[in-house]
Amino acid sequence: DQQVKQNSPSLSVQEGRISILNCDYTNSMFDYFLWYKKYPAEGPTFLISISSIKDKNEDGRFTVFLNKSAKHLSLHIVPSQPGDSAVYFCAASASGGSNYKLTFGKGTLLTVNP
Amino acid sequence: GAVVSQHPSRVICKSGTSVKIECRSLDFQATTMFWYRQFPKKSLMLMATSNEGSKATYEQGVEKDKFLINHASLTLSTLTVTSAHPEDSSFYICSASVAGPGYNEQFFGPGTRLTVL
Repeated sequence: DQQVKQNSPSLSVQEGRISILNCDYTNSMFDYFLWYKKYPAEGPTFLISISSIKDKNEDGRFTVFLNKSAKHLSLHIVPSQPGDSAVYFCAASASGGSNYKLTFGKGTLLTVNP
Repeated sequence: GAVVSQHPSRVICKSGTSVKIECRSLDFQATTMFWYRQFPKKSLMLMATSNEGSKATYEQGVEKDKFLINHASLTLSTLTVTSAHPEDSSFYICSASVAGPGYNEQFFGPGTRLTVL
């Protein structure tokens, strides 16, 4: 049973436009959510996170929105740049869980076209 | 800050040999480190959770006798793939955790590409 789902395996946007990456989760115990960016043959790089006490967190071009009632979060990148092209992973954790381990989605490949 | 290194970055070995991968947090202390495996075009699969000074906790389906984990200090964890076989070929990634009430961030190493011939 996949507890964190990224239903879009890929997304293609034009440079300068907004990229919206979506993530759904099923475990109501999750209370901390993160987005990671990953290039091939490299480890994931932390982008932005959000605690369940908030519904929005912004950091530069990146904004994460959390809708707890829908168990849905999204990452907005605006304006998108070609260098943003990578696989984006959504991850979640439960603070009461074991050692704060993260559960990852399968990732969405974002391609930003010049 | 929050740099995690892995060594080696790439290793090729013969079937039946053992391979050790090191994971170090360079500028912070991590009480918990995690080991992941990534198959091509797949998500990160958590293999085990490693706490300093105690036995690792393995995820279901991961053979603890095959994937030996040692977490000797707050900055070093090692994964040893024992008697490696071609099906163990994969991209192994470690992460080091900085977590507490209300926050949980994992910082990942660059990964190790293991190829077993």
